[in-house]
Amino acid sequence: DTGVSQDPRHKITKRGQNVTFRCDPISEHNRLYWYRQTLGQGPEFLTYFQNEAQLEKSRLLSDRFSAERPKGSFSTLEIQRTEQGDSAMYLCASSLGDKDEQFFGPGTRLTVL
Amino acid sequence: DQQVKQNSPSLSVQEGRISILNCDYTNSMFDYFLWYKKYPAEGPTFLISISSIKDKNEDGRFTVFLNKSAKHLSLHIVPSQPGDSAVYFCAASAIQGGQFYFGTGTSLTVIP
Repeated sequence: DTGVSQDPRHKITKRGQNVTFRCDPISEHNRLYWYRQTLGQGPEFLTYFQNEAQLEKSRLLSDRFSAERPKGSFSTLEIQRTEQGDSAMYLCASSLGDKDEQFFGPGTRLTVL
Repeated sequence: DQQVKQNSPSLSVQEGRISILNCDYTNSMFDYFLWYKKYPAEGPTFLISISSIKDKNEDGRFTVFLNKSAKHLSLHIVPSQPGDSAVYFCAASAIQGGQFYFGTGTSLTVIP
């Protein structure tokens, strides 16, 4: 399977704990995006990378959130000191370029108790 | 502020008829628009796109229309099939921008 993969698919954590999600994009894709989706809403942009460079961050991305793409391949999204409001589906997508369609992974569903 | 809006949360259509899903946007800098389909427990899947230099793009049963003056786009599915039942999101990006803005989605049910 050469699509976008995300790990884990589900994560349950207690408030205050740190969590880290991983995204493996389609191998030749230069762009990688992170989104958050809550019930009844569309995906909300968090941040994106062009190769290893993080080019844009949403104001939704508080200081507790950090994303990396160290070698321009896979990416990680870390949430520190999780809060109940962080409960959502976290989606990763990749694309060849800026005006190309994005291919989404299956998402990581985070539940903060 | 919601820059991309889908005002119909749900739509039901008989199999074989036309489905029309609508999307409005507020940012005149948007120049690229996409439609995605999403099944439960899966990520969104790309369906069709259109750039602002066109007013129509067609791919099989799917056609997207763009009305720039009205800041409105629509997705037509004809004929509709039960397998088209899903949530449809429209998305837009601005000139020289990396961020994509998504609408809240329209849940389409095609009744056999």
